[in-house]
Amino acid sequence: GAVVSQHPSRVICKSGTSVKIECRSLDFQATTMFWYRQFPKKSLMLMATSNEGSKATYEQGVEKDKFLINHASLTLSTLTVTSAHPEDSSFYICSAPDGSNQPQHFGDGTRLSIL
Amino acid sequence: AQSVTQLDSQVPVFEEAPVELRCNYSSSVSVYLFWYVQYPNQGLQLLLKYLSGSTLVKGINGFEAEFNKSQTSFHLRKPSVHISDTAEYFCAVSRSSASKIIFGSGTRLSIRP
Repeated sequence: GAVVSQHPSRVICKSGTSVKIECRSLDFQATTMFWYRQFPKKSLMLMATSNEGSKATYEQGVEKDKFLINHASLTLSTLTVTSAHPEDSSFYICSAPDGSNQPQHFGDGTRLSIL
Repeated sequence: AQSVTQLDSQVPVFEEAPVELRCNYSSSVSVYLFWYVQYPNQGLQLLLKYLSGSTLVKGINGFEAEFNKSQTSFHLRKPSVHISDTAEYFCAVSRSSASKIIFGSGTRLSIRP
């Protein structure tokens, strides 16, 4: 079935580093992808909607200059956490609809730890 | 706008007992409803979905949920739980299969032997 691949699954890096997370649809085209963030023991909160070929739509309170989203092809969206700090440590997960009436496909998530 | 309320943050039950996890939603339009499960340190797994049709929806691992439009509820049930059902459960809503998904705050199901 349709699969969304998210990479890396886990990353640990120093404060001030920029980290790129990839979300790739493996056997379908995704004009839209969604990025969510989950704090420990909390729910998933939508950060932004990634649109192929155009600017992402950010939810209120999400810093667009901090969380850069690029959706340059129909199968790949990237989220870059720029100049990451410990408070950016979280679980990031993407999802993509496949154009059918079926539920979206989620990536396995990326656990980001900033030291 | 849509919203989802999960009334119970934690539900402890004994193994082989029945369980119900409550979910209420709010929306001015028709919605799709979902239940997801998240095992410790893992991603999300779809348990079941309601898109249209029969209001009783059966999912994986013996779970089922009933869509009740008048009460705007979508409670999750299982007649007999196992230790392996220990996880976080999220109720979610979206306007369509291509729309953003709004998640509830989650219910932690803990199973006691």
